[in-house]
Amino acid sequence: GENVEQHPSTLSVQEGDSAVIKCTYSDSASNYFPWYKQELGKRPQLIIDIRSNVGEKKDQRIAVTLNKTAKHFSLHITETQPEDSAVYFCAAPTGFQKLVFGTGTRLLVSP
Amino acid sequence: EAGVVQSPRYKIIEKKQPVAFWCNPISGHNTLYWYRQNLGQGPELLIRYENEEAVDDSQLPKDRFSAERLKGVDSTLKIQPAELGDSAVYLCASSTRHLPAGPESPELYNEQFFGPGTRLTVL
Repeated sequence: GENVEQHPSTLSVQEGDSAVIKCTYSDSASNYFPWYKQELGKRPQLIIDIRSNVGEKKDQRIAVTLNKTAKHFSLHITETQPEDSAVYFCAAPTGFQKLVFGTGTRLLVSP
Repeated sequence: EAGVVQSPRYKIIEKKQPVAFWCNPISGHNTLYWYRQNLGQGPELLIRYENEEAVDDSQLPKDRFSAERLKGVDSTLKIQPAELGDSAVYLCASSTRHLPAGPESPELYNEQFFGPGTRLTVL
C-alpha cells in the first residue's frame, strides 16, 4: 500500500515570506496528489491538486510541483499572509478512490 | 450548494457506552467516506461506500464499529462499546466518481468534500 511522509511537521514564517512543504510517496502507480488545508476546529478543504501528467500547477499564490521519478511533491505558498496559518495535509492514492494522508504540517505566519 | 452535513458536532460519553454519528453527503455524490482523525494526525479511512455498498471497510474495527448507508444517501457510523482510544474527530466526506474512459485508462480521482466532523471524547 501507499506510504506518505510529510515534512516539516511545523513551519513558522514571517508574513510575506514563502513556505514550502514536502511529501514523499511510495507507490509509483499513484497519479493524483491533493493538498488540503485545515484551520483549527474546521474541516479539511482542498486547496490544490495535481495529476501525474503534469509537473507543476499554480493557482495565484499557491503552487504544487511533482517529481514522479523521485516520488515527491511539494506545496509552495508565496507572499504568505496570516490567514494562511493552518495545518496542511498532502495525500496520495492507494487503490480505488482511497487516499492516504500525510501527518500534516502546522504553518504559522507571523505578522 | 450545501456542503456535507454531520451531527452531532460534539459528543462526550463514558467508556463502554454506544455512540452514533450521522452524515448527509452533498447531493448527487455517490461515494461516501468515513475517516477518523486523531489529534495531530491526518485523516485515516475507516470505510468507503459506493452508493449503498461498502466497497472498502478493511480498516474498520469490526468488533465494535459498524456503518450503514441504507438508501445510498445518508450514512451512520456506530461504535459499541466505545473505548478510551476512540476519542478522535470522525469526519465524513463525499465525492463523485469519475469512471475510467476505458479498460486501460487509469481511474481519475475527484475532490473529496469533508464535513465539519464530530469530535468524540470518551471518558
